[in-house]
Amino acid sequence: GAGVSQSPRYKVTKRGQDVALRCDPISGHVSLYWYRQALGQGPEFLTYFNYEAQQDKSGLPNDRFSAERPEGSISTLTIQRTEQRDSAMYRCASSSRTSGRGGEQFFGPGTRLTVL
Amino acid sequence: EDKVVQSPLSLVVHEGDTVTLNCSYEVTNFRSLLWYKQEKKAPTFLFMLTSSGIEKKSGRLSSILDKKELSSILNITATQTGDSAIYLCAGEGAGGTSYGKLTFGQGTILTVHP
Repeated sequence: GAGVSQSPRYKVTKRGQDVALRCDPISGHVSLYWYRQALGQGPEFLTYFNYEAQQDKSGLPNDRFSAERPEGSISTLTIQRTEQRDSAMYRCASSSRTSGRGGEQFFGPGTRLTVL
Repeated sequence: EDKVVQSPLSLVVHEGDTVTLNCSYEVTNFRSLLWYKQEKKAPTFLFMLTSSGIEKKSGRLSSILDKKELSSILNITATQTGDSAIYLCAGEGAGGTSYGKLTFGQGTILTVHP
């Protein structure tokens, strides 16, 4: 597609339920990043992938959060046993890596998660 | 821990004014500094700066990096109401597994009144 897409755009769930958020990066982009953005704040890094390999998951808040990118394209961020404090905008970004540089990241529209 | 701080947190101006937004960073294995504009949707890329002292320009927007002072500024001249947005600054690390990881500041909310 032309840009990064994410689904669903909005997700309302009850506390304790699991949710899966999907990201479809720009075609050909090898790096994919997950961020969480609270209202009035900048995006906060969660994890990232180069191809299918998860390179850094230091930003994942706890072991209820996990991410995968099994074929090096679409990625899924899963939150198990959701809690109200998980409510936020979850953003995905992708980047092409050329000449050993990280490159600018292109952001998707985000998934607004609300945990009741 | 990497840190990026922006100032001011908010700014209200009138059309035609010139504004300067500030960003300071502490990023391990610093590689580049990026500026994004965020309206109601996703952040959109403005500039990526890697070299100190070289101004990047796009229309009425310009930005420069000072690696000695660990800072960057974003200038907007002749502001328009369409410039109203949150401006985000992010530092990119380049070390080991943190390659490409962006640490964002909290943003500057710019409001331009007609």
